[in-house]
This record gives sequence, C-alpha cells and structure tokens, in this order.
Amino acid sequence: DAGITQSPRHKVTETGTPVTLRCHQTENHRYMYWYRQDPGHGLRLIHYSYGVKDTDKGEVSDGYSVSRSKTEDFLLTLESATSSQTSVYFCAISLSAGGEQYFGPGTRLTVT
Amino acid sequence: RKEVEQDPGPFNVPEGATVAFNCTYSNSASQSFFWYRQDCRKEPKLLMSVYSSGNEDGRFTAQLNRASQYISLLIRDSKLSDSATYLCVVSGGGGGNKLTFGTGTQLKVEL
Repeated sequence: DAGITQSPRHKVTETGTPVTLRCHQTENHRYMYWYRQDPGHGLRLIHYSYGVKDTDKGEVSDGYSVSRSKTEDFLLTLESATSSQTSVYFCAISLSAGGEQYFGPGTRLTVT
Repeated sequence: RKEVEQDPGPFNVPEGATVAFNCTYSNSASQSFFWYRQDCRKEPKLLMSVYSSGNEDGRFTAQLNRASQYISLLIRDSKLSDSATYLCVVSGGGGGNKLTFGTGTQLKVEL
C-alpha cells in the first residue's frame, strides 16, 4: 500500500469553527488531491496540488483552502465549518498528471 | 449529462457467476481510464487501468471502446470477497491531471 496517512481519522466539530485536515505521504509523489465523498455524488475534487506551493481549485472548492509547504504534506482547511461540509474526506497522491491515484484512509468529519 | 455514468446496482449474483459492469463517459478527449474498488467505509483502491487494447488481470477483464465512449469490467468466477462498489474513473482531456469518478456500481456476491 502507498504510504499515505490522514489525520485526524475522525472529527466532530461545531458550526463556525475552523478545521484543518492533514495528509502526509512518504512516496515523494508530485501531485496531491483532496476529495470529499457523499452519498449520491461520488468523489468530488476540492483542491489539488501539482508541487510545493502550487495548488489549484477543484469543482467544490468554496469554503475550503489548502496549503502545501513540503512535498509530503497537504493541508485542507475549512475556514468556518458548516453542516454541509459533513462528509468523508480523502486525500490522494499521484506520480503523474492524469495517472493512477492512491488514496489515504479518509477522515470522517461531522459538523454539528 | 454526468461526465461519468454508471448503473448504481446493486448487482446480486451467486458465487461463481460472471458479472459485467459498463460505464459511459462524456469527454471524448479523455486519455486515461481506470477501475477502482471501494469497500464499505474504506478508501478507493486501484483495481486496474484500462488500455485501448483491453487488459486482463486474473479473473478481471477491462475493455475500452473509444468510439462509443464506454468502459467495461468483467468479473469471472465471482467470489464473496468481490463484494464491493466498483468505481469507473476517467481522466480529463488534454493531459489534464484531474480524474472524474463515477458514483459506483455495487456488487453483492452471495452463497
């Protein structure tokens, strides 16, 4: 299995609070991605990174920001959590553009 | 129209059966195609890439039809352990680095 970890694995937070999720890889892959998965929607891309300090928006980026200061770490921040952001969040890595992606174990976030 | 469409199922099949899933995609410029497997409450895992010439990995066969813009996955001699959701995945056109995931087809293999 690819060396990808996510933390925390579970989190319950209140509406309006900021939340940061961490993705850490040991594979030295250039590309990193954050997705959310909700019933009926499948995996939807939030943000992605194509290198240190290089990031771009996905299809559902509103309310989220990201940072990548090191190759191995990709952080996802919910600036002010809302109940609609209750979801399962997956991080993924890829060696090449459009290539296979490998996923972390996911973070279950509940916003009350 | 969704970019990637799959029949959600569930497909309930007896052990040992052969089952096939199809997936259609809308972007004719897509260049990479994959099947992922996702178990309940787990992360998606790459099952196989799909090549233009078709490819086989043990009991699994994937095929691509670019003219009709669909991808198929055939599972022979189904095992109980094959029960999962199968995700069809397509890359963006023009060498883009984004993948688009279908919502998945659920397979239940029964005794």
